[in-house]
Amino acid sequence: GAGVSQSPSNKVTEKGKDVELRCDPISGHTALYWYRQRLGQGLEFLIYFQGNSAPDKSGLPSDRFSAERTGESVSTLTIQRTQQEDSAVYLCASSLMGTGTNYEQYFGPGTRLTVT
Amino acid sequence: KQEVTQIPAALSVPEGENLVLNCSFTDSAIYNLQWFRQDPGKGLTSLLLIQSSQREQTSGRLNASLDKSSGRSTLYIAASQPGDSATYLCAVKGSGGSNYKLTFGKGTLLTVNP
Repeated sequence: GAGVSQSPSNKVTEKGKDVELRCDPISGHTALYWYRQRLGQGLEFLIYFQGNSAPDKSGLPSDRFSAERTGESVSTLTIQRTQQEDSAVYLCASSLMGTGTNYEQYFGPGTRLTVT
Repeated sequence: KQEVTQIPAALSVPEGENLVLNCSFTDSAIYNLQWFRQDPGKGLTSLLLIQSSQREQTSGRLNASLDKSSGRSTLYIAASQPGDSATYLCAVKGSGGSNYKLTFGKGTLLTVNP
């Protein structure tokens, strides 16, 4: 079946511009996660959705970052007024359920964001 | 705060060799531990998931062990092949209030030479 998909696969933007990154999770997965992978760093947790609610936004690095999820499906991560330090690969994952379960997280291919 | 460390950062071996990748974590209160593979420009592929009550999991030529009390896991790859070349990531899922997110190590870059 279809896995997690993300778009665009690559995005180059000028400093100060806003960008939107999209994630389509596996159908029926109630939990959705965003992670960031900067060069030479491990993956960092950004935000977790259970259904359309985000009980944990603690990983969002600043108020320029926001995310939403609709229809318990598609999620959009928005970065306003992009800075060069935002350059990274943004990975989305989904799982059947989230909290307190052993369900695996399935990852998408990521969006590589480059801020010039 | 949970911290995950992977050693070595990079490893190069000849084809056919057996090898071990190491992962350590600072907080033993985990729900599970996963090993992932990441190929350049690709997302993560889950290889093995070990629940906190388990000691090991096996899939084909891969065997992962977990010693929760000492905060360690190993991934054993038997009879390595050039197609095994990738970055291997270890991630733990906490059992406390954040029992949904994964904390990752920085990975081990494996190169298997033909």
